[in-house]
Parts: sequence; structure tokens; C-alpha cells
Amino acid sequence: SYELTQPPSVSVSPGHTARITCSGDALPKKYAYWYQQKSGQAPVLVIYEDNIRPSGIPERFSGSSSGPMATLTISGAQVEDEADYYCYSIDSSGDYRVFGGGTKLTVL
Amino acid sequence: QLQLQESGPGLVKPSETLSLTCTVSGGSISSISYYWGWIRQPPGKGLEWVGSIDYSGSTYYNPSLKSRVTMSVDTSKNQFSLNLRSVTAADTAIYYCAREAFGSGSYFDYWGRGSLVTVSS
Repeated sequence: SYELTQPPSVSVSPGHTARITCSGDALPKKYAYWYQQKSGQAPVLVIYEDNIRPSGIPERFSGSSSGPMATLTISGAQVEDEADYYCYSIDSSGDYRVFGGGTKLTVL
Repeated sequence: QLQLQESGPGLVKPSETLSLTCTVSGGSISSISYYWGWIRQPPGKGLEWVGSIDYSGSTYYNPSLKSRVTMSVDTSKNQFSLNLRSVTAADTAIYYCAREAFGSGSYFDYWGRGSLVTVSS
């Protein structure tokens, strides 16, 4: 079965840049998406189609993708960005949807 | 504004069937541009896609759950449903329903608030 691999945790100081990676064999051909999930809440889409921010998402959130790796970058991380982040994509057949294991971002 | 709301029992006994319904408001479930999905999250763990269905009943299921999952859609009620058979404690999770948008890729853009289902005798 298809898998997306993320680091379990990332730490960053307030105002600094956080980068969260996601690797998967199909990413060279399939878009990556990123969700933010704060404690007790449903996930919120913060990046779609590799690098597009939905309306209402702060500009400090950006995405990129190169080969089998996608990256979520938070430039000037804020305390309120502390959350779990999940990458998401679809397998090479286009039939099966997959979430990465999630990365806990700590801002302190 | 599109809204989704999960409903169903919060407690299910082992070996029985978990049944949940998602009611969609503020938009039509019959749109050809969308699928409708279920995603679950065991307590303290990550997100797992369960399955997706379109307005005509065409389905895609997670291979790891495929033998136990059935999804259905009721366009007259603007609802879609999930049945998960032969549940065990490992099926205890928050179950989210969500709209799946298709552009150049596919992704879940609107989510319900989630429904906690506990499997226990």
C-alpha cells in the first residue's frame, strides 16, 4: 500500500522558519496537500496542489514539491501555528487517498 | 456556506456494525464535481482515509478496510452513510465526513466536526 512519510516532530522558535517534509513515491506525478489540525478540532487545508494557499490562510504558509518530496514552510512561525500537520495525496493509480503520519509542530 | 454533520451511535459493541450518517447542508450532494468521504482518527493518532463515494454511488475504499466497509448515498436527503462491520477496539476513533473536491488533484476541502465512536462491550 502507498505511504507518505513525515517526521514525527519539528520544533522552531517564534519568528523563525519551520519546514516539514513529506516523501512519497507518487509525489513526482501527484499533487501534495497540507492540513493543519489543532487540538480538538477538525483538520484545515493550508496548502493545495503543492503550493497554493486557500483564501484566509496567512502568507507565512507556503508549499513546494520536488521529485518525491513535498515541503510545507512556515516563515516566521507564530505560537498559534503550534499544531499537527498532515500531508495528503493520492496514489499513482488515482484510486486511493493517503495521509502522512503527521508532524507535531512545537513553537517555543 | 457548506456544512457537514456526522450522526450515529457513540458506542458500538465488538463484532457489531458501526453506522454513521453525514448530512450535508448549504450545497447539493448531487454535484458531479465532488466525492464525499469518511476519514477517521484514533485517539492520539493520525488521520486515516476510510473511503469516498460520489452521488451515483461509485465508491473507493481503503484497501485495509475494504472487506468490512460499505458506503451509500441518499440524494433525496442530501446524506451519505458509512457502515463498518465486525468492529474491534481498533476501530475506536473520531470519524469525520468531508467533501472531496476534484481539480487537478483531489482533496478534502470541507469537513464535519467529527463524531467519536467507541467500540466497547
